[in-house]
Amino acid sequence: SYELTQPLSVSVALGQTARITCGGNNIGSKNVHWYQQKPGQAPVLVIYRDSNRPSGIPERFSGSNSGNTATLTISRAQAGDEADYYCQVWDSSTDVVFGGGTKLTVL
Amino acid sequence: QVQLVQSGAEVKKPGASVKVSCKASGYTFTSYGISWVRQAPGQGLEWMGWISAYNGNTNYAQKLQGRVTMTTDTSTSTAYMELRSLRSDDTAVYYCARVDSSGGDSWFDPWGQGTLVTVSS
Repeated sequence: SYELTQPLSVSVALGQTARITCGGNNIGSKNVHWYQQKPGQAPVLVIYRDSNRPSGIPERFSGSNSGNTATLTISRAQAGDEADYYCQVWDSSTDVVFGGGTKLTVL
Repeated sequence: QVQLVQSGAEVKKPGASVKVSCKASGYTFTSYGISWVRQAPGQGLEWMGWISAYNGNTNYAQKLQGRVTMTTDTSTSTAYMELRSLRSDDTAVYYCARVDSSGGDSWFDPWGQGTLVTVSS
């Protein structure tokens, strides 16, 4: 079965750039989607198909995907960006797969 | 706006069944699928399966095969998820989400607000 690996936590200083990685075997050949989940709330799609932002998501959120690593980048991090972030792919053998999630702390 | 509204919290005993509803609005219900995702307390997201609102075709996660049934009622734009033979480790928040897809790829947007299902004797 296909697996996605995320760091448990990432910290970033206020106003700096945060990078959250999602590792998987040849993940660059798949489309990666990213969700933000704040405490007590439902997940929200922030990036789809590697690098596309849904309407309403700030330009500060961007994504890339190559080789064995996909990356969610949050520029000019704000206190309101503190949340858990999950990557997700669709795999032919296991259907939908989520990463384990990364807790982003803004210092 | 596109919105999914789920039914309220449930408390069930081990061995019982639960049925959670998800009412869609703001889009053509039969043009998209609905997926169900659950999240145990303090844990990550677990995909449970999905249903086509167009023709009712389903695809369930292997782990839940035989215990879960997903259905839709197109007359009310509502999706349902029933989970049987509940165990304590089924305690979780259950989310529905609209499935966006292209070329065999799928992502979820938006999500319902979640329904807490507690399994306890």
